[in-house]
Amino acid sequence: EAGVAQSPRYKIIEKRQSVAFWCNPISGHATLYWYQQILGQGPKLLIQFQNNGVVDDSQLPKDRFSAERLKGVDSTLKIQPAKLEDSAVYLCASSLVISGGDSGANVLTFGAGSRLTVL
Amino acid sequence: GIQVEQSPPDLILQEGANSTLRCNFSDSVNNLQWFHQNPWGQLINLFYIPSGTKQNGRLSATTVATERYSLLYISSSQTTDSGVYFCAVGFSRLWGGSQGNLIFGKGTKLSVKP
Repeated sequence: EAGVAQSPRYKIIEKRQSVAFWCNPISGHATLYWYQQILGQGPKLLIQFQNNGVVDDSQLPKDRFSAERLKGVDSTLKIQPAKLEDSAVYLCASSLVISGGDSGANVLTFGAGSRLTVL
Repeated sequence: GIQVEQSPPDLILQEGANSTLRCNFSDSVNNLQWFHQNPWGQLINLFYIPSGTKQNGRLSATTVATERYSLLYISSSQTTDSGVYFCAVGFSRLWGGSQGNLIFGKGTKLSVKP
């Protein structure tokens, strides 16, 4: 099966500019996640969608970050205006479902990421 | 508070050696996954293991949920095993408000020398 597709792979912008990242999950995966990974750290969840609804956006800096998943398939993450501390890799992941218990349907598959450098 | 701690932070091995990576977590869990991030940044799922033991080739993992830890074993290491290994945990008491929110540890950076 095709993996999680992300674009662009690399982006360099100046602070206060805007940027958008795109993600297309694995076909049939209901749940889509955006993670931020700063150099030397583990990924941190920004937002989670179930189909086209937001499940968790508690760690999304809503004054500058926005995300949408129209039609419950692909998703866009936008940053406007960007700050220096937004320099990171933005990872998209998808899974079949979200549920508790011993279900392999919870397994996350990650895309290759979009590396953002803010100057 | 909610914590995921991994040890050791760095590990250097000679090719062919075995290793054990540890993940401690602070509360009861209903989701635990191990990932390998290769030197090019791609995260690959190794195991979904909220409890019990699983094996896949040279890798195996054990989670003892009652004692709040998980172990990842790598046997006969190869240079291609190099990278960062992450433990990611979904905490039961966060489930209702943050379904599926996996909290990642800081990772163990593994370097396997030829």
